[in-house]
Amino acid sequence: GAVVSQHPSRVICKSGTSVKIECRSLDFQATTMFWYRQFPKQSLMLMATSNEGSKATYEQGVEKDKFLINHASLTLSTLTVTSAHPEDSSFYICSAPGGAGANEKLFFGSGTQLSVL
Amino acid sequence: DAKTTQPPSMDCAEGRAANLPCNHSTISGNEYVYWYRQIHSQGPQYIIHGLKNNETNEMASLIITEDRKSSTLILPHATLRDTAVYYCSLGKTSYDKVIFGPGTSLSVIP
Repeated sequence: GAVVSQHPSRVICKSGTSVKIECRSLDFQATTMFWYRQFPKQSLMLMATSNEGSKATYEQGVEKDKFLINHASLTLSTLTVTSAHPEDSSFYICSAPGGAGANEKLFFGSGTQLSVL
Repeated sequence: DAKTTQPPSMDCAEGRAANLPCNHSTISGNEYVYWYRQIHSQGPQYIIHGLKNNETNEMASLIITEDRKSSTLILPHATLRDTAVYYCSLGKTSYDKVIFGPGTSLSVIP
């Protein structure tokens, strides 16, 4: 079945540095990808919708200049957390719709645990 | 806000059926009911989806009421590996952004 590969799985960085997270659709093309953030013991919170070849659509309250999304190809979307701070520490998850029909399922990456010191 | 409501937690004995309810009273006619689950510290996993007919796959069964205002996910023979948070969501297509509610934390007990 379709697979979404997300890297890295875990990253520790110093405050003030930037971190890039990659999300790849391995055997299907993804014109749309979704980025979520999840804090401990909470549900997934949608951050933005990534669209190939155009600007991402951000959810209310998500700073687009801090969370840069690039979807330059049909198989790759990246999320860059710029000038990361400890409050940005979270579990970040990407997903992409896939399948034969428009009503098929969402496939999720395995997530990236970001820890900012 | 999520358009679905689920109980926050449930327990199920290993080997028994787990029945997870979801209310979606404001569902529109062309919205599907999707179920996903998330095992601790992993990305969510698709389980099943349906429009109005009951659906079954290798993982679970989905029962949707005739008025489509609620549904039940059934894991026929729960195992310890089914311990996870289960999310019910709505969408016209998988390209619709999915807003996750709190989900149901299912604990399968030996």
